[in-house]
Amino acid sequence: DTGVSQNPRHKITKRGQNVTFRCDPISEHNRLYWYRQTLGQGPEFLTYFQNEAQLEKSRLLSDRFSAERPKGSFSTLEIQRTEQGDSAMYLCASSLNRGNTEAFFGQGTRLTVV
Amino acid sequence: DQQVKQNSPSLSVQEGRISILNCDYTNSMFDYFLWYKKYPAEGPTFLISISSIKDKNEDGRFTVFLNKSAKHLSLHIVPSQPGDSAVYFCAAPHNFGNEKLTFGTGTRLTIIP
Repeated sequence: DTGVSQNPRHKITKRGQNVTFRCDPISEHNRLYWYRQTLGQGPEFLTYFQNEAQLEKSRLLSDRFSAERPKGSFSTLEIQRTEQGDSAMYLCASSLNRGNTEAFFGQGTRLTVV
Repeated sequence: DQQVKQNSPSLSVQEGRISILNCDYTNSMFDYFLWYKKYPAEGPTFLISISSIKDKNEDGRFTVFLNKSAKHLSLHIVPSQPGDSAVYFCAAPHNFGNEKLTFGTGTRLTIIP
């Protein structure tokens, strides 16, 4: 399967714990995005990488959130000291580095903070 | 500030009929639009796109229309099939070098057999 892969698919964690999600983009895509989707809303942009450089972060990304893409391939999104409000679907997408191309999404990681 | 709006949270259509999903936008800088389809527990899947230099783009059963003066676009699905039941999002990229997408809130389409 050469699509965007996200792991784990589901994560249940206790409030206050740290969690880390992984995204493997389509191999030739150098742009990688993280989005968050809550019930009844569309996906909301969190952060964006071009190769290994994190070029933009949304104000939604508090200091408890950190994302990395160390070698310009896979990316990780870590949430420290999780809160119930962090419960959401976390989506990763990748695209080519040229204008007006669609982003391809992974299946997402569903986080539930209890 | 909701720059991309989908004012109909849900829509039910008889199988075989036309489904019309609507989307409005407020940012006049948007010049490219995409429609994504999402099944439960899956990520969005790209469906069709349109550039602002066009007013129509067609791909099989799917056609997207763009009315720039009204800042409105619509997705037509004809004929509608049960497998089309999903949530549909319209989205627009911010073309300032990163193409991050702003999504609408989605319309849940249900095709009635």
